[in-house]
Amino acid sequence: SQTIHQWPATLVQPVGSPLSLECTVEGTSNPNLYWYRQAAGRGLQLLFYSVGIGQISSEVPQNLSASRPQDRQFILSSKKLLLSDSGFYLCAWLPRGTGRNYEQYFGPGTRLTVT
Amino acid sequence: SQKIEQNSEALNIQEGKTATLTCNYTNYSPAYLQWYRQDPGRGPVFLLLIRENEKEKRKERLKVTFDTTLKQSLFHITASQPADSATYLCALSNSGGYQKVTFGIGTKLQVIP
Repeated sequence: SQTIHQWPATLVQPVGSPLSLECTVEGTSNPNLYWYRQAAGRGLQLLFYSVGIGQISSEVPQNLSASRPQDRQFILSSKKLLLSDSGFYLCAWLPRGTGRNYEQYFGPGTRLTVT
Repeated sequence: SQKIEQNSEALNIQEGKTATLTCNYTNYSPAYLQWYRQDPGRGPVFLLLIRENEKEKRKERLKVTFDTTLKQSLFHITASQPADSATYLCALSNSGGYQKVTFGIGTKLQVIP
């Protein structure tokens, strides 16, 4: 069966510090991968998506970046965090080629607090 | 721009009753509409998907309707239980290779024993 991992689960970082969040998927190959942010009282905001290794598309301009160095690994980064980067970061994957192509499967999330 | 509206106020119902949640959308012609459940501090969990050419879909105690003329979906939980208490998210997507999914803000459901 497929599983998705995210780490760390929680993170407290000062303003101006770097960030690296990691997401890995097991039990599938060539998935679409997504990074979302969910701020308090707000909906899920799509940040980045990837349809393959090294292929990254950004939905919202910001000081964050994403990379996909391996087929089932997706990394969210920042060189300098802002207070507004605080939120709940969710990684998701979408299976392809199974006939169930449209529901997304989410990881447990990372709670980021920028102080 | 595309907009999804869900009642941002919490919905409180008595255990055993049917809960009905509403999702309205504008400036969108989705091929698929999905419902997810999200518990506090957890990632959303997929529940049901309904296609634009389907009127209704059921899964156990869950029922979803999709009216593309009204641009509305209704999500029903029959015989509700306290364990059904959570936030329920409506999501829309189009067909195609990218499959971008747009989420609503969600409605918090509280089932009172």
